Amino acid sequence: AQKITQTQPGMFVQEKEAVTLDCTYDTSDPSYGLFWYKQPSSGEMIFLIYQGSYDQQNATEGRYSLNFQKARKSANLVISASQLGDSAMYFCAMREGGRGGATNKLIFGTGTLLAIQP
Amino acid sequence: NAGVTQTPKFQVLKTGQSMTLQCAQDMNHNSMYWYRQDPGMGLRLIYYSASEGTTDKGEVPNGYNVSRLNKREFSLRLESAAPSQTSVYFCASSYRDNQPQHFGDGTRLSIL
Repeated sequence: AQKITQTQPGMFVQEKEAVTLDCTYDTSDPSYGLFWYKQPSSGEMIFLIYQGSYDQQNATEGRYSLNFQKARKSANLVISASQLGDSAMYFCAMREGGRGGATNKLIFGTGTLLAIQP
Repeated sequence: NAGVTQTPKFQVLKTGQSMTLQCAQDMNHNSMYWYRQDPGMGLRLIYYSASEGTTDKGEVPNGYNVSRLNKREFSLRLESAAPSQTSVYFCASSYRDNQPQHFGDGTRLSIL
């Protein structure tokens, strides 16, 4: 069965430092997608970055990059030059594949609470 | 830029009462989803609708029903609310596979 694991319940990071949030996944489907979402204290879910299983290069979006290691089944989020506004809960999610074509159902990890310290 | 709109934002129910959570999107998305978020458990899929006229169960469908009223609207109904359904409910939509899901702001539901 597909599964997403985020082993870091919480992290403290100094402002301006880079931070890596871990995510490992388990699936037997060769076609899948990996997403990262940010949830600030206000509660909304904000899409950050996407990586497809067949993408040759690691995804990047501004200060966000995804360190995709397919053989290790990991998809870590890297935030460069962290800012106070990066303090939030971060969720890794996997698009669930299936016979007859992929669906867009997401399986979420339990999240990592990131606190940026000035 | 409304995106995904959920109503209500907050609701308190008594055990056994019924309630419908409303969701509408204005992005012409094909697929819509309902999730619940409980502390320490991330988001879990309740039901989804891949396209207008179709619905399917997710990971935790028991105690819920859904209606895909049209392409824009996807409602979630609790027929007989139970305290275990106290949660934050999120509606989301996406255009097609591999596209990110866009989420509403959530509905905080408490059942006493």
